[in-house]
Amino acid sequence: QKEVEQNSGPLSVPEGAIASLNCTYSDRGSQSFFWYRQYSGKSPELIMFIYSNGDKEDGRFTAQLNKASQYVSLLIRDSQPSDSATYLCAVNLRQAGTALIFGKGTTLSVSS
Amino acid sequence: EPEVTQTPSHQVTQMGQEVILRCVPISNHLYFYWYRQILGQKVEFLVSFYNNEISEKSEIFDDQFSVERPDGSNFTLKIRSTKLEDSAMYFCASSGGSRGTEAFFGQGTRLTVV
Repeated sequence: QKEVEQNSGPLSVPEGAIASLNCTYSDRGSQSFFWYRQYSGKSPELIMFIYSNGDKEDGRFTAQLNKASQYVSLLIRDSQPSDSATYLCAVNLRQAGTALIFGKGTTLSVSS
Repeated sequence: EPEVTQTPSHQVTQMGQEVILRCVPISNHLYFYWYRQILGQKVEFLVSFYNNEISEKSEIFDDQFSVERPDGSNFTLKIRSTKLEDSAMYFCASSGGSRGTEAFFGQGTRLTVV
């Protein structure tokens, strides 16, 4: 059974702080790792993806991957109230057409 | 910016009825997907579709469900004989070429079975 685990939160941070979101996965065959943001009642919005071990930065977001530990994280620098949402971790086998396996998501609340 | 569009945004149906959810994937994408999210739960994969056939499906995608690409732009999910537990948000997604597994989601159809 392929599982993706996330702490459901809520994770509360003040505006301007760094938010750190974590995810672990069970299938060692996983090759692609994604972070989606989902506002309440809306669809998942892709914000980051990472395929290789190490860090990948995009603006205020940094994704970190450690395949040996089966661990992927997302750092959000200079957090804004508009970042308040549920962050979904998803993984797949990096073969086109294969399923994304989602975690339940971590709810982030950024206070002004 | 290209996007996945879904219609309708909300569908209410009586138990036992058939519904068809419609999607227009991003135009140059080759892989199409349906996911669902029951209220308060995680996003679950239903089915993926490529080259006019199903490439992968989950245990959820049983004989009650079918998918079709009736023309060059639309991608549909049919649910036969709906049940109360089919009430959920249904998301269509699409992704690009063989190495482009990043999937982009439509805004969803909220299906309510009464």
